[in-house]
Amino acid sequence: QKEVEQNSGPLSVPEGAIASLNCTYSDRGSQSFFWYRQYSGKSPELIMSIYSNGDKEDGRFTAQLNKASQYVSLLIRDSQPSDSATYLCAVYNNNDMRFGAGTRLTVKP
Amino acid sequence: NAGVTQTPKFQVLKTGQSMTLQCAQDMNHNSMYWYRQDPGMGLRLIYYSASEGTTDKGEVPNGYNVSRLNKREFSLRLESAAPSQTSVYFCASSPRGDNEKLFFGSGTQLSVL
Repeated sequence: QKEVEQNSGPLSVPEGAIASLNCTYSDRGSQSFFWYRQYSGKSPELIMSIYSNGDKEDGRFTAQLNKASQYVSLLIRDSQPSDSATYLCAVYNNNDMRFGAGTRLTVKP
Repeated sequence: NAGVTQTPKFQVLKTGQSMTLQCAQDMNHNSMYWYRQDPGMGLRLIYYSASEGTTDKGEVPNGYNVSRLNKREFSLRLESAAPSQTSVYFCASSPRGDNEKLFFGSGTQLSVL
């Protein structure tokens, strides 16, 4: 069974802080890793993708991947109230994209 | 630029009724997908179509059928709806067959009574 595990939260951080979201996966053959953001009542939208071990930065977002530990994370720097949403981790292997249940993030002004 | 369009946005069915969820994309994408999202369970793949004329089962295909009518359109049919199919359904597309960067429709909230 291919599993993608996330802490459901809620994760609450003050405005301006760093939010750290974590994800583990069970399929060692996984090739691609994604973070989607989903606002309440809306559809998911891609915010980060990462394919190799290490860090990938895009603006205030940094994705981190460690394939040996089967672990992927998302850091959000200078968190804003507009970042309040559910963050979905997705793991892809061979035509199979698996999503975690998501972590709900609340950024308090 | 419409992207991925799903209809209807809301639907209430009685147990045993049938219905078809429609999805169309105008981005010339090869691959299309149907997911369901339930509280606490994330998105689960029902069916996908890697290219026009092909369809494959995903993680939870039981009770559903699909049709890839042409490159633009991918429909999901519930032949005999059950309360367990109450969920939010999302259609998605991607430009390549490797499932990268999914573009999602706005979703269909389905309730089966």
